[in-house]
Amino acid sequence: QEQLVESGGGVVQPGRSLRLSCAASGFILSTYGMHWVRQAPGKGLEWVALIWYDGSKTYYAESVKGRFTISRDNSKNTLHLQMNSLRAEDTAVYYCARDPGGREIDFWGQGTLVTVSS
Amino acid sequence: DIQMTQSPSTLSASVGDRVTITCRASQSITNRLAWYQQKPGKAPKLLIYLASSLETGVPSRFSGSGSGTEFTLTIGSLQPDDFATYYCQQYNRNSPYSFGQGTKVGIK
Repeated sequence: QEQLVESGGGVVQPGRSLRLSCAASGFILSTYGMHWVRQAPGKGLEWVALIWYDGSKTYYAESVKGRFTISRDNSKNTLHLQMNSLRAEDTAVYYCARDPGGREIDFWGQGTLVTVSS
Repeated sequence: DIQMTQSPSTLSASVGDRVTITCRASQSITNRLAWYQQKPGKAPKLLIYLASSLETGVPSRFSGSGSGTEFTLTIGSLQPDDFATYYCQQYNRNSPYSFGQGTKVGIK
C-alpha cells in the first residue's frame, strides 16, 4: 500500500543542522509534487516547502527561506529537507506529504519530531 | 502571502448536531481550498478538495462550499468519530500554501 515514512528527526542544538528524509513506497514518486509541513507542539499546521514532481521548482515559507532546502531523488523514491541554522521555534513534528500537482495534499506521512534545544 | 482565518477556534457539539466551520481568505483563491481532519497524534486526513469535492472514502455527511474568499465545511450529523481538529488550506497558484489556525470540535 502507499506509504510515506519520515526519518532523521531528533534533538539538535540551536544553530546546528539536521537533514530529514522521507521514503515513498506503493506509488510513483516522480509523478507527484511533494511538501514538508510542520506542527509545533500543541499548535496548528504550518506549510514549510514544496518541490515540483521533477525537482525543477521549489517554494518556501518565509519563516524558513534561506535556511531550509527541499530536494528529491526520484530514482530512490526519496524526499529530503536540509535544515540549517536551526532555531528553537523550528521545534515541531515534520510531515512529508504528497500533492497530485499544484493542488491539495492528498496523502501524509506520520511525521518525525525535531527538537531544537540546548 | 494569503492569510487564512478560521472560525470558531473551538466549538462544543453533541452527536447528531449539524456543525459548520468557516474559513476566510485574505484575497480571492477561486475554489483552491481543501479541508483536513486531524486527530491527536495522527497525520491530517484530506476531506474536501477544490472547495466542494469529497475525497474518496470520506462519509457523505461532510460537505464543503464557497468560492472566492468565503468557505464553509459542514458536518451534517456529527458522529463520535468526528471529534477532532479541522483545518482549511489554500493552494492558490503562484502563492505559498497556507493553513487556517484550526477549529477543534469537542463534545458538549
